[in-house]
Amino acid sequence: QVQLVESGGGVVQPGRSLRLSCAASGFTFSSYAMHWVRQAPGKGLEWMAVIWYDGSEKYHAESVKGRFSISRDNSKNTLYLQMNSLRAEDTAVYYCARDFSRTRCSYFDYWGQGTLVTVSS
Amino acid sequence: EIVMTQSPLSLPVTPGESASISCRSSRSLVDSNGYSYLDWYLQRPGQSPQLLIYLASNRATGAPDRFSGRGSGTDFTLTITRVEAEDVGVYYCMQGLQTPLTFGGGTKVEIK
Repeated sequence: QVQLVESGGGVVQPGRSLRLSCAASGFTFSSYAMHWVRQAPGKGLEWMAVIWYDGSEKYHAESVKGRFSISRDNSKNTLYLQMNSLRAEDTAVYYCARDFSRTRCSYFDYWGQGTLVTVSS
Repeated sequence: EIVMTQSPLSLPVTPGESASISCRSSRSLVDSNGYSYLDWYLQRPGQSPQLLIYLASNRATGAPDRFSGRGSGTDFTLTITRVEAEDVGVYYCMQGLQTPLTFGGGTKVEIK
């Protein structure tokens, strides 16, 4: 069965960096676009970034452009989110999600369980 | 950026009755292929979101048939017929037409 397992969250000081991982299994990871979506405590869902199946295209939300970077390693079936210059407002649960498509955004048919990132001094 | 507006914010429902949630987009979600890129997700308390409806009116695998979606262009509706206790949670619409992908603010469904 399809599984997406995020890791790498934790407590980090403002201005520091963190890298999240999303380990995929149960499907051909290299055939799907992948996303990161976050949810601040008690708030709604916010899309962060998408990467095409082969890594050829990436798009990021304006709120994190230049600070966060999505990437993938298809040989390891793993999606990443490199987060730099973290701010208190980046505190959230971060979910990875699989897109039904390879090279466009459509819908998220599978989600991970999320990993909590807390930015605090 | 496409703005997604959901209503109502909160929806108390009686088990066995029907409930509807509205979602409006600031521009048409119809792509050149004719599909409307509007999806519905349910986030049950303490859980990750799950897909209910994709491309406006297609029920996701595993979603009960009491969930249905309709609409096109800028106006969309999710209907739950015969609401059950397990349907409580927050419902989000999302546009997948263009980046940045955007979600509605959510509708909290609770049992009366």
